Amino acid sequence: GQSLEQPSEVTAVEGAIVQINCTYQTSGFYGLSWYQQHDGGAPTFLSYNALDGLEETGRFSSFLSRSDSYGYLLLQELQMKDSASYFCAEGAAGNKLTFGGGTRVLVKP
Amino acid sequence: DADVTQTPRNRITKTGKRIMLECSQTKGHDRMYWYRQDPGLGLRLIYYSFDVKDINKGEISDGYSVSRQAQAKFSLSLESAIPNQTALYFCATNSGREETQYFGPGTRLLVL
Repeated sequence: GQSLEQPSEVTAVEGAIVQINCTYQTSGFYGLSWYQQHDGGAPTFLSYNALDGLEETGRFSSFLSRSDSYGYLLLQELQMKDSASYFCAEGAAGNKLTFGGGTRVLVKP
Repeated sequence: DADVTQTPRNRITKTGKRIMLECSQTKGHDRMYWYRQDPGLGLRLIYYSFDVKDINKGEISDGYSVSRQAQAKFSLSLESAIPNQTALYFCATNSGREETQYFGPGTRLLVL
């Protein structure tokens, strides 16, 4: 089966940088996705890594190391609107996904 | 208009009742999914369908059934609801060629 571990909560101030780690144990790994979910909202896609390395999309970047079974999401120049839960998920791009338990990010002024 | 819709948005039911949650999408996607979200546990896959004639069990299918009535519609049923099925339920779709799944707004279900 698949299991993904991520910290439950992170707190940071506006303008700071936050790194959310995700370690996984899977039988047959395809790639790692990241989703953002605001309270009361639906998850929305942020990024997908199938290969090792860094993917950058504006203030958010995602990294994958397949040899270490590890990835992270980097949130830069934190804004209040970034307060949300962030989920890593394993699966072939956009297809059947197994999610981690989520990391709640709280941004303080 | 939203691309993925779910009805109802909120539902309270009693133990033993049969209920159906409905999902419709206008994205023209073949692939549809039902997830359940509990606090601290992330989302867990209940059932998924890669086309109208394809239905597959996910991680936690016991106590649930689904129906894929058309490409655009995928319904989740709880045959006999129990309190530990109280959760937030999400429907999602995907084309199979994109990196993202598109989620509906969710249905909040309370089983008393």
